[in-house]
Amino acid sequence: DTGVSQDPRHKITKRGQNVTFRCDPISEHNRLYWYRQTLGQGPEFLTYFQNEAQLEKSRLLSDRFSAERPKGSFSTLEIQRTEQGDSAMYLCASSQLANERGYTFGSGTRLTVV
Amino acid sequence: DAKTTQPTSMDCAEGRAANLPCNHSTISGNEYVYWYRQIHSQGPQYIIHGLKNNETNEMASLIITEDRKSSTLILPHATLRDTAVYYCIVRVNNAGNMLTFGGGTRLMVKP
Repeated sequence: DTGVSQDPRHKITKRGQNVTFRCDPISEHNRLYWYRQTLGQGPEFLTYFQNEAQLEKSRLLSDRFSAERPKGSFSTLEIQRTEQGDSAMYLCASSQLANERGYTFGSGTRLTVV
Repeated sequence: DAKTTQPTSMDCAEGRAANLPCNHSTISGNEYVYWYRQIHSQGPQYIIHGLKNNETNEMASLIITEDRKSSTLILPHATLRDTAVYYCIVRVNNAGNMLTFGGGTRLMVKP
């Protein structure tokens, strides 16, 4: 399968703990996006990378959130000092620079903060 | 990106055509209409997109009105596996331009 992979699929953590999620995009895709989705809502944009450069960050991405894509391949999203409001599905997507079809999404990581 | 308006939910009988409407009255001339769907517990999946001509692929047909202020996604023979949330998005066709999702239409296909 050469789709977008996300790990883990599910994460339960205690409030105040740090968590890190990983996304492996489609290998030839140079753009990578992170979205967050809460129950009953559409996905909300968090940030995106072109190769290793983080080009845009949403206001939703507070100081507790950090994303990296060190070699322009996989990406990590870290949440420090988790809060119950961070409970959501975190989706990763990738695309080629000139891809009219938009993005290919992964299946997401569901975070539950207890 | 222009905003879109979709019904919150729709039902469709299995085997019948599902017609999902979308209003995008403030669409700009260089904005495309994209449709994605999201099946429960999965990431959104691309369905189809178009600028002003009607489009068809193996999944669906997209009908865009002549004034481009609205569109309809047609699933010609809906199956139970088409039960999902369908998102209509308008965006400039540039891979760097992020997708902005609204609430979508929850389509329930019933036997």
